[in-house]
Amino acid sequence: AQSVTQLDSHVSVSEGTPVLLRCNYSSSYSPSLFWYVQHPNKGLQLLLKYTSAATLVKGINGFEAEFKKSETSFHLTKPSAHMSDAAEYFCVVSDQTGANNLFFGTGTRLTVIP
Amino acid sequence: DAGVIQSPRHEVTEMGQEVTLRCKPISGHDYLFWYRQTMMRGLELLIYFNNNVPIDDSGMPEDRFSAKMPNASFSTLKIQPSEPRDSAVYFCASKTWGQGGSETQYFGPGTRLLVL
Repeated sequence: AQSVTQLDSHVSVSEGTPVLLRCNYSSSYSPSLFWYVQHPNKGLQLLLKYTSAATLVKGINGFEAEFKKSETSFHLTKPSAHMSDAAEYFCVVSDQTGANNLFFGTGTRLTVIP
Repeated sequence: DAGVIQSPRHEVTEMGQEVTLRCKPISGHDYLFWYRQTMMRGLELLIYFNNNVPIDDSGMPEDRFSAKMPNASFSTLKIQPSEPRDSAVYFCASKTWGQGGSETQYFGPGTRLLVL
């Protein structure tokens, strides 16, 4: 069975400091992993995805994530937080590469302090 | 590209009324997904279609929920009769395979439903 655990429900950082949002996954297959962002009252936007290519994945808005199979982790990072990064972030695993069932984490709310 | 389009964006109705949510997927996408987001359960897949055919509806909560996709550019999610516990944000998403296609699902802005 596939699942993801987002270890922090809320992360608060100061503007200009690094961001780390943690995600651990469980998968019976070689997983596809995603990070989506949801701004208030908006839909979900894809930040980045891992599909068994390079383990370090770069996404939009300066975000990146590293797939670590030994640790079953896919943490999201950004070197310097901007105010516009304040949003809800979801780590997602699909049931197998190319398949259609996505399993969402419970989300991490990122607050950026001026 | 306009992206996935959902309507209405907000819906307030009374318990027992029929609710119809609408979705227009991205042109050329052959998969369409309906999700529900609640505080208690997070994001859940309700049903998805491939080439207008329902493939997996195991996430549909009960018989009050039904979804159709009469053509490649339109889908509906209907709740009849609606109940207060159906209050949630309902998202539609679409994707495609083929050249340049991938696992990436593209989400619409959602419909925020409140059942009183």
